[in-house]
Amino acid sequence: QKEVEQDPGPLSVPEGAIVSLNCTYSNSAFQYFMWYRQYSRKGPELLMYTYSSGNKEDGRFTAQVDKSSKYISLFIRDSQPSDSATYLCAPTDSWGKLQFGAGTQVVVTP
Amino acid sequence: DTEVTQTPKHLVMGMTNKKSLKCEQHMGHRAMYWYKQKAKKPPELMFVYSYEKLSINESVPSRFSPECPNSSLLNLHLHALQPEDSALYLCASSQDTDREVYEQYFGPGTRLTVT
Repeated sequence: QKEVEQDPGPLSVPEGAIVSLNCTYSNSAFQYFMWYRQYSRKGPELLMYTYSSGNKEDGRFTAQVDKSSKYISLFIRDSQPSDSATYLCAPTDSWGKLQFGAGTQVVVTP
Repeated sequence: DTEVTQTPKHLVMGMTNKKSLKCEQHMGHRAMYWYKQKAKKPPELMFVYSYEKLSINESVPSRFSPECPNSSLLNLHLHALQPEDSALYLCASSQDTDREVYEQYFGPGTRLTVT
């Protein structure tokens, strides 16, 4: 079993819709939960991260972590075609090593 | 400025060639990383340098040889690669590895093709 499970998609939504992305993980030692965005043929870009359980909001993006259920979520409000990318969840272990999920491809159609 | 630069952008090399990938950051970060990413897969960690010393080698074959000449530069020397080594090679940096959270910033990558 992989430490981090993420549905690879693709997830197709119309412009303006809410995009809902999630990951599950098995390692209860994870403390920090990163979200990266990767456009095609580019390097991953750090979007935001949360510490332990709770919510964090940054503009149109909201990240949530529920450690009791080992569930990580990212929501994108008012989605735009420019949000079309692959989104990677990446909890970090005690060594700071990023444990990437498979990445979910998101397509926002005009 | 959270920029990590990588050169070259693209590289095609034969299995007997020797080439090097270069990475540079000017954010004052003391930790630097090499990742390999195959198509439609997440990045896989290869090496971690902390304060210019190799701290993690993820059992990478010796045909990949990392080097950290100073705190801003990271090289990956390539020799006798195989076609299955064709991938996007990503460099990343973070402030250091002595804290709980490691905000890693990635470069655009070098797309390597081994023929």
